[in-house]
Amino acid sequence: SAVISQKPSRDICQRGTSLTIQCQVDSQVTMMFWYRQQPGQSLTLIATANQGSEATYESGFVIDKFPISRPNLTFSTLTVSNMSPEDSSIYLCSVSPRGAGNTEAFFGQGTRLTVV
Amino acid sequence: AQSVTQLGSHVSVSEGALVLLRCNYSSSVPPYLFWYVQYPNQGLQLLLKYTSAATLVKGINGFEAEFKKSETSFHLTKPSAHMSDAAEYFCAVSHSGSARQLTFGSGTQLTVLP
Repeated sequence: SAVISQKPSRDICQRGTSLTIQCQVDSQVTMMFWYRQQPGQSLTLIATANQGSEATYESGFVIDKFPISRPNLTFSTLTVSNMSPEDSSIYLCSVSPRGAGNTEAFFGQGTRLTVV
Repeated sequence: AQSVTQLGSHVSVSEGALVLLRCNYSSSVPPYLFWYVQYPNQGLQLLLKYTSAATLVKGINGFEAEFKKSETSFHLTKPSAHMSDAAEYFCAVSHSGSARQLTFGSGTQLTVLP
């Protein structure tokens, strides 16, 4: 398993500003992912954070809006840029540890973002 | 392409009653299937997973699920509900064993009545 620490746990932000969410894992992991969970909905994959290279974004998500960094195998950040109320969601970091054969994903507690 | 359908966005059971949460999947290749639970204000916790071994999978907290290929189903059950089981439950599917390809269902909110 993996222990994931995600910060901040929640925030209320003004529209037009940006928020950076941090994800720290207690062990080196091969794959790190960022998900969005809009109110009352399921999880949608935003992107895969690749160590040492640009993130891989899913359809409907772009780097200018959701820039991602992954400087090493235990840490990643997701920035929500130029926020609007529609960005109010829970953002979750997920990892797939080495040795799990990439079949299993573990999740952080999430960042509950409210944009006003 | 793969997809997951969870029948019933809200399920209520009495404490001590059987819990049955339904999940049907669509996948063009043999799937890997997962059930996650999300307690209020928390992230997701893996309950159990099916990865082409035994069709009856036992998970944590007394939950189990049975993979039925003929019905393309992976329903989650627990013989006796506890108040602490109240949470949101998500079924997810991936193909080729890739965690990157996880597709989640819309979720089922389980309420346990005293």
